[in-house]
Amino acid sequence: QVQLQESGPGLVKPSETLSLTCVVSGYSISSGYYWGWIRQPPGKGLEWIGTMSHGGNTYYNPSLKSRVAMSIDTSKNHFSLRLSSMTAADTAVYYCARRSLPENYFDRWGQGTLVTVSS
Amino acid sequence: EVVMTQSPATLSVSPGERATLSCRASQSVNSILAWYQQKPGQAPRLLIYAASTRAANIPARFSGSGSGTEFTLTISSLQSEDFAVYYCQQYNNWPLTFGGGTKVEIK
Repeated sequence: QVQLQESGPGLVKPSETLSLTCVVSGYSISSGYYWGWIRQPPGKGLEWIGTMSHGGNTYYNPSLKSRVAMSIDTSKNHFSLRLSSMTAADTAVYYCARRSLPENYFDRWGQGTLVTVSS
Repeated sequence: EVVMTQSPATLSVSPGERATLSCRASQSVNSILAWYQQKPGQAPRLLIYAASTRAANIPARFSGSGSGTEFTLTISSLQSEDFAVYYCQQYNNWPLTFGGGTKVEIK
């Protein structure tokens, strides 16, 4: 049973860069599938951030593209998100998820991690 | 970007009754649409993909229909565990986009 677990700082200062990691267990990410990040501001809806293939191909939301970078480390079986120039508007629960094959919906999700942007 | 609009924002339903949730796309997404359920403090859970195919282990009381720009999620007989927020997501076009959600609450 594949499981995903996000980790990272719960608090980030304005203008800093957020770094989150998603550890995958029960499945080798080098075997296939694509992997994604989605966020949800408190009390609001879901926003897709980006998706990455096990081979390193990336697809980003244009609204965040200039600030986002995703990477994958198959040796550690995890993938990561970096979001630069953080502002209060980036305060949200950040979820990592597995994208189904071969379609762009998400069939497994991590529990999410709340990131607050505040000085 | 394809804008997804869900209605109503809140749906009050009694246990055992039928719930019908709507999702509209700003342009055709064919049948490339998923539905998710989210309970408080939890991650979303995939219910339906390809507009009408139930995901693994999803009860038969959940059904999806529609194509093009109009989609419906129907819960045939609401159980206590079904009170939650439901989101639709199109994956026909980049960027992937979600609807604003419909909260199904106990009447």
